[in-house]
Amino acid sequence: GAVVSQHPSRVICKSGTSVKIECRSLDFQATTMFWYRQFPKKSLMLMATSNEGSKATYEQGVEKDKFLINHASLTLSTLTVTSAHPEDSSFYICSARDNGASWGNSPLHFGNGTRLTVT
Amino acid sequence: GENVEQHPSTLSVQEGDSAVIKCTYSDSASNYFPWYKQELGKRPQLIIDIRSNVGEKKDQRIAVTLNKTAKHFSLHITETQPEDSAVYFCAASGSSASKIIFGSGTRLSIRP
Repeated sequence: GAVVSQHPSRVICKSGTSVKIECRSLDFQATTMFWYRQFPKKSLMLMATSNEGSKATYEQGVEKDKFLINHASLTLSTLTVTSAHPEDSSFYICSARDNGASWGNSPLHFGNGTRLTVT
Repeated sequence: GENVEQHPSTLSVQEGDSAVIKCTYSDSASNYFPWYKQELGKRPQLIIDIRSNVGEKKDQRIAVTLNKTAKHFSLHITETQPEDSAVYFCAASGSSASKIIFGSGTRLSIRP
């Protein structure tokens, strides 16, 4: 089955530093990947859609300069949380759709998530 | 954009009984409705999905129904077991791009 690998699984950083999270599709190609944020006992909130070779599309209320997304290849998207603050502490999950599946009509494959703690 | 509402937020059922979770969506152009199960600290796992060209789909103890006219869909779990305890999310794929919007989640607890 389709596998999405996300690293790191857990990171603790100090306020003001930046953190990069990687999301890789291991056995399929993904032109589009999605980044979600999940607060404790809450739903998955879509932050942005990552597009290979072009700019990401951010959801309303999500700061693009705060959450930098790069999708340089068909198997890798990165999310960088810049100048992190304690309120950025959360569970970040990436997901991807298989290019080989029907467009707009196929399941999302999720990474294991990254638990970010900013001290 | 698409908006997905999910009810109830918590659900407790006796082991062996059935559980039903309901969702509504706003975008009439949505054509794909997956359900995900998430255990504590883990990634969401797809358990079943339905496309707009069918009204019902079943996979062993799990079934999903879709009413396009009313714009609602439901998850049915029969003969519940302790391992069914988790948070369940419904979702809908809207007409813009291929992003999937999630409902607020239902925490299902199975009482022994």
